[in-house]
Amino acid sequence: GENVEQHPSTLSVQEGDSAVIKCTYSDSASNYFPWYKQELGKRPQLIIDIRSNVGEKKDQRIAVTLNKTAKHFSLHITETQPEDSAVYFCAASIPGNQFYFGTGTSLTVIP
Amino acid sequence: GAGVSQSPSNKVTEKGKDVELRCDPISGHTALYWYRQSLGQGLEFLIYFQGNSAPDKSGLPSDRFSAERTGGSVSTLTIQRTQQEDSAVYLCASSPWTDGTQYFGPGTRLLVL
Repeated sequence: GENVEQHPSTLSVQEGDSAVIKCTYSDSASNYFPWYKQELGKRPQLIIDIRSNVGEKKDQRIAVTLNKTAKHFSLHITETQPEDSAVYFCAASIPGNQFYFGTGTSLTVIP
Repeated sequence: GAGVSQSPSNKVTEKGKDVELRCDPISGHTALYWYRQSLGQGLEFLIYFQGNSAPDKSGLPSDRFSAERTGGSVSTLTIQRTQQEDSAVYLCASSPWTDGTQYFGPGTRLLVL
């Protein structure tokens, strides 16, 4: 089956700096890669996703890049703000199969 | 429209008792997933339903755990003879198709005393 690894497990950045979280996957059949943000005590919420037919997608301060050859994808948050502090999960999905989640990255933005 | 809902929001039970957790997916979503999340941990996959296909039960941790989905909509996760290590938040998610975006419910926080 698929195996998704996520790094780092914790990340602290100064407000205004950029944050990058990386994930790798093992199954080349995976074709959908969402990122979820989970604030303390709340449900995971989708913040951005990318499919394997594109290499990059951007939504305001958030961007995701995908390298299918290397089987890795990354989340980039620019101009970080304290409200970006949360746990972020990446995931990979194989058509007709379940989602495989990374182990999460706890991001702290220091004011 | 209405999102994914789960009930109860919190459940406290005694060790050895059975519990039932309910998930109401978004109307029209064919895929439904159950996850378990222990405090400060990631999402542990439990079971996955897709339309009328046989569910993928590969994540259920023991035979004390079972789930069903009636009429392709509401799902119930049952934990028999609960143990203290079952204490966690149980999250349900639904998706319009197999590899579509998952929308999560608020979760049921289970505490086994």
